[in-house]
Amino acid sequence: DAGITQSPRHKVTETGTPVTLRCHQTENHRYMYWYRQDPGHGLRLIHYSYGVKDTDKGEVSDGYSVSRSKTEDFLLTLESATSSQTSVYFCAITRTGAGGYTFGSGTRLTVV
Amino acid sequence: ELKVEQNPLFLSMQEGKNYTIYCNYSTTSDRLYWYRQDPGKSLESLFVLLSNGAVKQEGRLMASLDTKARLSTLHITAAVHDLSATYFCAVELQGGSEKLVFGKGMKLTVNP
Repeated sequence: DAGITQSPRHKVTETGTPVTLRCHQTENHRYMYWYRQDPGHGLRLIHYSYGVKDTDKGEVSDGYSVSRSKTEDFLLTLESATSSQTSVYFCAITRTGAGGYTFGSGTRLTVV
Repeated sequence: ELKVEQNPLFLSMQEGKNYTIYCNYSTTSDRLYWYRQDPGKSLESLFVLLSNGAVKQEGRLMASLDTKARLSTLHITAAVHDLSATYFCAVELQGGSEKLVFGKGMKLTVNP
C-alpha cells in the first residue's frame, strides 16, 4: 500500500473551536486531496493541492482552510468547527497520470 | 459542472444471482474509477478505466466504460456474501488537476 496516514483517527470537539487534521504521505506525490463523506452525499472535495504552497478550493470549501508547506504533509483546518462539519474526512493522493487515488484511513470528526 | 449518478443506490440480492449497476456522468471524460468501501473502512480501488470501450474484470466483478454514452457498468456475476459493501464510481475532471467527482455510492447487500 502507498504510504499515506491520517491523524487523528477520531476526534470529538466543541462547536467554535479550531481543529486541524493531518495527512502525511511518504510517496512524494504531487497531488493531495481532502474529501468529506456524508450519508447520501458520497465523497465531496473540500480542497486539493498540486504542490508545495499550491492549493485550490473544491466544491465544499466554506469553513475550511488548508496548508501544504512540505510535499509530504497536507493539513486541513476547520477554523471554527460547527455541527454541520461532523463527518468522516478522507485524504487521498495520486501519482500524476497514474489514474485514481489512494486513500488514507479517514478521520471521524464529531462536533458537539 | 460534472455530475455523477449511480443507480441503484441500494441493492439487496441473493447469493448466486447476477446484476448490473450503472454509473452515468454529465460531461465529457474518458477516465472513470470504481472503488469499494466496507463499513467503517477506507475506499479501496477496484477498477481503473482509462478509455472508451475499456473492460476490466476481477473475480465476480466486471466493469466497462462507454465514454460516448457517458456510462459505466459494474456487472456482478454469481454474487457471494463477501461482495456486500458500498461501491462508488468516480469520474476524473478534464483539465489536468486529476480531481475526481464521486457518485453517492451504491450499498450492496448479498443475502445467503
